[in-house]
Amino acid sequence: GAVVSQHPSRVICKSGTSVKIECRSLDFQATTMFWYRQFPKKSLMLMATSNEGSKATYEQGVEKDKFLINHASLTLSTLTVTSAHPEDSSFYICSATGLAKQETQYFGPGTRLLVL
Amino acid sequence: DAKTTQPPSMDCAEGRAANLPCNHSTISGNEYVYWYRQIHSQGPQYIIHGLKNNETNEMASLIITEDRKSSTLILPHATLRDTAVYYCIAPSGTYKYIFGTGTRLKVLA
Repeated sequence: GAVVSQHPSRVICKSGTSVKIECRSLDFQATTMFWYRQFPKKSLMLMATSNEGSKATYEQGVEKDKFLINHASLTLSTLTVTSAHPEDSSFYICSATGLAKQETQYFGPGTRLLVL
Repeated sequence: DAKTTQPPSMDCAEGRAANLPCNHSTISGNEYVYWYRQIHSQGPQYIIHGLKNNETNEMASLIITEDRKSSTLILPHATLRDTAVYYCIAPSGTYKYIFGTGTRLKVLA
């Protein structure tokens, strides 16, 4: 199997606060994890790629100081949305892949963030 | 990533085969083709992938043309639970996926 979990599934926060989202690979070692965001009725947009033990690589237009990514172990990556604003409200999805998975990415269930 | 093109929407009668096409004419020789689907408000679910041979698993079959410029995902007996957005992806060696707009499949009772 290849199960990826995310926590929380849904979060509401006040503008200006920070929110941390966790992504865990439950039954495999994830050497690489990815973070996406998805707006309503739109496709997934890749935000960043993180390899275990190294700094994340951000896609063009994604602010690295606003979206802090940590991939400290082979089973856990975290995304922290700092100083959240209403426009950060979105569906955040992580995925993971590992050496045994070739390029196949396995996705988490997503986290819905609402910033008031 | 090779650019992929899919029809924006399709309907299929319940119990019939759903054939979802994808064009990836710029695909290179070592790029796999991956298929995922996303049911509303969930993360994408892996379906199947292939390089040049046709593939089949418990969920679907994947037919890749000999020139590899297009492929078709086949759901042999579509059910209402197969209603979803289906994405075809051809990543390059960087492991990054670039999602297109996908095909919104509606299975009709």
